[in-house]
Amino acid sequence: DQQVKQNSPSLSVQEGRISILNCDYTNSMFDYFLWYKKYPAEGPTFLISISSIKDKNEDGRFTVFLNKSAKHLSLHIVPSQPGDSAVYFCAASYTGNQFYFGTGTSLTVIP
Amino acid sequence: DTAVSQTPKYLVTQMGNDKSIKCEQNLGHDTMYWYKQDSKKFLKIMFSYNNKELIINETVPNRFSPKSPDKAHLNLHINSLELGDSAVYFCASSRLQGAGELFFGEGSRLTVL
Repeated sequence: DQQVKQNSPSLSVQEGRISILNCDYTNSMFDYFLWYKKYPAEGPTFLISISSIKDKNEDGRFTVFLNKSAKHLSLHIVPSQPGDSAVYFCAASYTGNQFYFGTGTSLTVIP
Repeated sequence: DTAVSQTPKYLVTQMGNDKSIKCEQNLGHDTMYWYKQDSKKFLKIMFSYNNKELIINETVPNRFSPKSPDKAHLNLHINSLELGDSAVYFCASSRLQGAGELFFGEGSRLTVL
């Protein structure tokens, strides 16, 4: 039973435009959400996170939005750069439990 | 200075063999994990150890045996390797179980022939 879902396996955007990656979850116990970026042959690296007490967290070009009622979060990258091309994983957790991951969205930023 | 390091990075072996993957973290974290990324790219939890104690053991064949000699190390031993064990195995750590940021190693790609 997959508790975190990323329904878009891939996304292509033009350099300079906005990239929006989406993630849905089913478990209302989750209180912490994370986005990871993964390049080929490397481990996932932490990008940005958000606590369930917030609905937005911003870090430079990256913003994560959380809609608890819809059990939905999204990652916005603006402006998108070719170096952002990677697989992005959404993850969710609650203290005392484990981290659950989505299946990833492969982002390609076209120069 | 690598925070979470795992060895080997690549491992090619025959069916039926036994192999181990080692993991070490220098972050002072209490919790360590093993994740498996299969051909569908899904990152699935296998085991979680908190301060050397097994906390999570997902539905994993008992051919897989984790060992944590201390809280900075979590090794994965696999007996009687099968073709379906081919995957990338990621070690990770976090300060607390299921809380804060999860730090990953670079992954160990296991290929069973």
